[in-house]
Amino acid sequence: QTVVTQEPSLTVSPGGTVTLTCASSTGAVTSSYYPNWFQQKPGQAPRTLIYSTSNKHSWTPVRFAGSLLGGKAALTLSGVQPEDEAEYYCLLYYGGAQLLFGGGTKLTVL
Amino acid sequence: EVQLVESGGGLVQPGGSLRLSCAASGFTFSNNAMSWVRQAPGKGLEWVSAISGSGGSKHYADSVKGRFTMSRDNSKNTMYLQMNSLRVEDSAVYYCAKSTGSESFYKVDYWGQGTLVTVSS
Repeated sequence: QTVVTQEPSLTVSPGGTVTLTCASSTGAVTSSYYPNWFQQKPGQAPRTLIYSTSNKHSWTPVRFAGSLLGGKAALTLSGVQPEDEAEYYCLLYYGGAQLLFGGGTKLTVL
Repeated sequence: EVQLVESGGGLVQPGGSLRLSCAASGFTFSNNAMSWVRQAPGKGLEWVSAISGSGGSKHYADSVKGRFTMSRDNSKNTMYLQMNSLRVEDSAVYYCAKSTGSESFYKVDYWGQGTLVTVSS
């Protein structure tokens, strides 16, 4: 059974930089997995930040950047703001329209 | 403005059925693949199913295959999820999500606010 793994929790100071990663049990994540990244705050629906590894939507703040890093998909937040405290999920595509979410990373801004 | 509004959630007994709807507006509905994603209370997101813009391609997670059926009516700008043989573990908030193209299931942009399904006796 394929598993997508994210850090369960991370803490960052305001103004700092943090990188969240997304790994696949099948091996290295490549652009063919079309990684998506989503932000979810308590009681709210998810909001899409990144699609296809590094592409931003019109509403995605500039401080969010997607990439591939060491065989994983990565989401880097630079100049973290208090409002960035949230749960972050990655989504990977395995072909045949099979999609898997990671377990999520709870980001604390402290 | 893109809007996705889910409805049809509620309380149902194990083994029962429920049909969820997702009403879309603000874009040309038939041009976009759509997905259902669920989230059990206090848990993470789980992709459930996806359908192409034409409705000709449908895909399901193994956990719901054979029990859930996704469909869409492009004349009504509405997508559906027929859920049969419901189990306690199907209890979740169900979100509909829009993709950026007719077959690009893996490029999600907009989400609805979700509808709660509770399976309990």
